[in-house]
Amino acid sequence: QKEVEQNSGPLSVPEGAIASLNCTYSDRGSQSFFWYRQYSGKSPELIMSIYSNGDKEDGRFTAQLNKASQYVSLLIRDSQPSDSATYLCAERRAAGNKLTFGGGTRVLVKP
Amino acid sequence: GAVVSQHPSRVICKSGTSVKIECRSLDFQATTMFWYRQFPKQSLMLMATSNEGSKATYEQGVEKDKFLINHASLTLSTLTVTSAHPEDSSFYICSASYRGSGYTFGSGTRLTVV
Repeated sequence: QKEVEQNSGPLSVPEGAIASLNCTYSDRGSQSFFWYRQYSGKSPELIMSIYSNGDKEDGRFTAQLNKASQYVSLLIRDSQPSDSATYLCAERRAAGNKLTFGGGTRVLVKP
Repeated sequence: GAVVSQHPSRVICKSGTSVKIECRSLDFQATTMFWYRQFPKQSLMLMATSNEGSKATYEQGVEKDKFLINHASLTLSTLTVTSAHPEDSSFYICSASYRGSGYTFGSGTRLTVV
């Protein structure tokens, strides 16, 4: 079982709709979770981080964390064509400082 | 905000030669530098972690004699790909952290070995 799993997609979303991305992780000791957006040929850019159970909102983005079920999700509201990218979920465990990335979900927002 | 400058952005080298990639933290002290490799349509794979002044810790399967990492100061870390071969062609990305407070990624280096 992979440490961090994501559906590779592509997730096709009409412009203006909500894109819903999911990520599951295997280590119950994981404490921090991060969502990154990566455009083709570019390095990842941080969307948001989440550490506590529940929802965290930042603009059009909402991250949700459920430690009991070991999943973290990202909602993108009012999706725009510029949101078309690969979204990477990453975890940081209690021991150590390194991030472990999921395989990424490719999102296509169609005008 | 925190910025990490990574150079070169693209490099083409001949098989058997060595290539050095630099990452500099411009406005903060990078106590830890992470080096990733990303093959097309795949995710980031951590190669090694280096703390300033210490030897790098390599992930399983990564050859430490082939991928030399130097983190001699709090603002500069380098990755040298020695005796590069076509299979080393990839996108290399560094990420700097200050005492685990966050992660700032460099812009990446596209290495092509011909």
